[in-house]
Amino acid sequence: EDQVTQSPEALRLQEGESSSLNCSYTVSGLRGLFWYRQDPGKGPEFLFTLYSAGEEKEKERLKATLTKKESFLHITAPKPEDSATYLCAVQDPSGGGADGLTFGKGTHLIIQP
Amino acid sequence: DVKVTQSSRYLVKRTGEKVFLECVQDMDHENMFWYRQDPGLGLRLIYFSYDVKMKEKGDIPEGYSVSREKKERFSLILESASTNQTSMYLCASSFARTGTGQYFGPGTRLTVT
Repeated sequence: EDQVTQSPEALRLQEGESSSLNCSYTVSGLRGLFWYRQDPGKGPEFLFTLYSAGEEKEKERLKATLTKKESFLHITAPKPEDSATYLCAVQDPSGGGADGLTFGKGTHLIIQP
Repeated sequence: DVKVTQSSRYLVKRTGEKVFLECVQDMDHENMFWYRQDPGLGLRLIYFSYDVKMKEKGDIPEGYSVSREKKERFSLILESASTNQTSMYLCASSFARTGTGQYFGPGTRLTVT
């Protein structure tokens, strides 16, 4: 069974203090690893897709990287508006299951001014 | 931009009622999904559809059914609502079955009393 584990569960940073969020996964045939941002009471907002080890994607202060067993979301010089829950998900249709995504439980990030 | 809309942001229903949740996407996506999100459990896939009139069970289909009569519209049906179906329901769509990001709607917070 696919598993996605995110750490830490919660992270509080000062504005400008860079850090990384971790997503470790166990799948038999990765078709994609996805990062989402979710604000309270709203649906997840798609950020990145990563397909193979060594791949990197960037968007503003966020950079996602992928290895064979884990992905990192690096946040550089964060601002208060970066506060949100960040979700990681994988897709592994070779497992015989659905085409849906398997999500981690998320990292709740708070950036203090 | 991809737009996924859901018919209600908040819904309160009584135990035993039949409940319809509607989802519409405007990007001509083939694939549509229904998830529920609960604290401590994360997002879990209920059903998905990869074509009109086609449906596949996800991880937690019990107590739910779906309907897809038109490409842009995917409905989730609770035949007889129960209190353990109180949750945030999220609809998503994607261009391809695998390897592409899924775009989520704003969610419907359903309370069953």
